[in-house]
Amino acid sequence: DAGVIQSPRHEVTEMGQEVTLRCKPISGHDYLFWYRQTMMRGLELLIYFNNNVPIDDSGMPEDRFSAKMPNASFSTLKIQPSEPRDSAVYFCASSGDSTEAFFGQGTRLTVV
Amino acid sequence: GENVEQHPSTLSVQEGDSAVIKCTYSDSASNYFPWYKQELGKRPQLIIDIRSNVGEKKDQRIAVTLNKTAKHFSLHITETQPEDSAVYFCAASKKGGYGGATNKLIFGTGTLLAVQP
Repeated sequence: DAGVIQSPRHEVTEMGQEVTLRCKPISGHDYLFWYRQTMMRGLELLIYFNNNVPIDDSGMPEDRFSAKMPNASFSTLKIQPSEPRDSAVYFCASSGDSTEAFFGQGTRLTVV
Repeated sequence: GENVEQHPSTLSVQEGDSAVIKCTYSDSASNYFPWYKQELGKRPQLIIDIRSNVGEKKDQRIAVTLNKTAKHFSLHITETQPEDSAVYFCAASKKGGYGGATNKLIFGTGTLLAVQP
């Protein structure tokens, strides 16, 4: 398995634009996590899914953020409209019931 | 919900010395405590983990201890080397196939470890 795959690796966008981040978890993992990493707040859990169902989205900062997992091999995190304070590195991670969580390489988002 | 606190936020040691990072958690039902290492510009990667049925686990120069009563766990790195320099994160989760398991993985705020040659 190639591990957790995220795209794009880097995204620069203008304030107000829609941003979509993508994640492909490791095959067979039934948990998928979206984290946001900033210097000030560390690794914040935004939302996580179990068997494609959102379990806890209490970390999603605002209604501008939404996440979906239409099938076991794909998830998206969308920000609409984006703002400069959304600039961060966004990580996707996946795990099984009794396995460790593996992280993707992250998407570095810059909103100007 | 679970809250994980981590100290110190930065740690500087001389090469060959030991480094200790400490974490506390709030949810007594948490049973899985991993430690991740993140090098600059890279993804966090698991270096060691411990489950609540074990008090200590060791892997070469790294070890983790768990005190369930006090709800704290620690990472110990001995004989530190410059390549140990990175940010280290602790985390807590309720893991496994039992009814109360959520697998929700909450991280501490990280410790920047600098090993001086």
